[in-house]
Amino acid sequence: GDSVTQMEGPVTLSEEAFLTINCTYTATGYPSLFWYVQYPGEGLQLLLKATKADDKGSNKGFEATYRKETTSFHLEKGSVQVSDSAVYFCALSGSNAGNMLTFGGGTRLMVKP
Amino acid sequence: GAVVSQHPSWVICKSGTSVKIECRSLDFQATTMFWYRQFPKQSLMLMATSNEGSKATYEQGVEKDKFLINHASLTLSTLTVTSAHPEDSSFYICSARSEAGTHSYNSPLHFGNGTRLTVT
Repeated sequence: GDSVTQMEGPVTLSEEAFLTINCTYTATGYPSLFWYVQYPGEGLQLLLKATKADDKGSNKGFEATYRKETTSFHLEKGSVQVSDSAVYFCALSGSNAGNMLTFGGGTRLMVKP
Repeated sequence: GAVVSQHPSWVICKSGTSVKIECRSLDFQATTMFWYRQFPKQSLMLMATSNEGSKATYEQGVEKDKFLINHASLTLSTLTVTSAHPEDSSFYICSARSEAGTHSYNSPLHFGNGTRLTVT
């Protein structure tokens, strides 16, 4: 079945550092890929998405490129801020999986001033 | 944009009582809603898929008699935790997709803010 693997956290960075959170997936067909963010005490929010190979999703300075050849969707940001501290979830939605999302385990990011 | 409202945001109840959590799509119709459970420091676990006008589809290992789901309208789904016990304490999140169609899997889910349930 479909699965998503993302790097374990916590990831601790200083403000303005470069961020990469790795995400790889296993799925049949051509899934859509998403990054969701969960700020402390809140629910999930969509951060960005990509629906086909080589698409780049971007939002709030975050980027991720859909790499079918490496089945990856790594999240990057050039300069993190303290306000980026949150848990980030990589997820996929497969064409054969109805409307369900398969989530990775989540990666906690802590940014220190 | 699409908004999903979940209520209550937190609830404390005594063991043996039942708790109802509501999930509403505020500006769109959702024929399908999803209920997730999140344990501390863990990822989301899909509990069930709620279909308007029909019975919910539960994931393996989720007790349907324990977690009652009702999806009576296109904008409201409810999850009732019956005879709650301390092990049911968790963060419950609902979600819905705002776009229907054959390629709806391309559309992101919109999540409620979650309900933190504490059973004493």
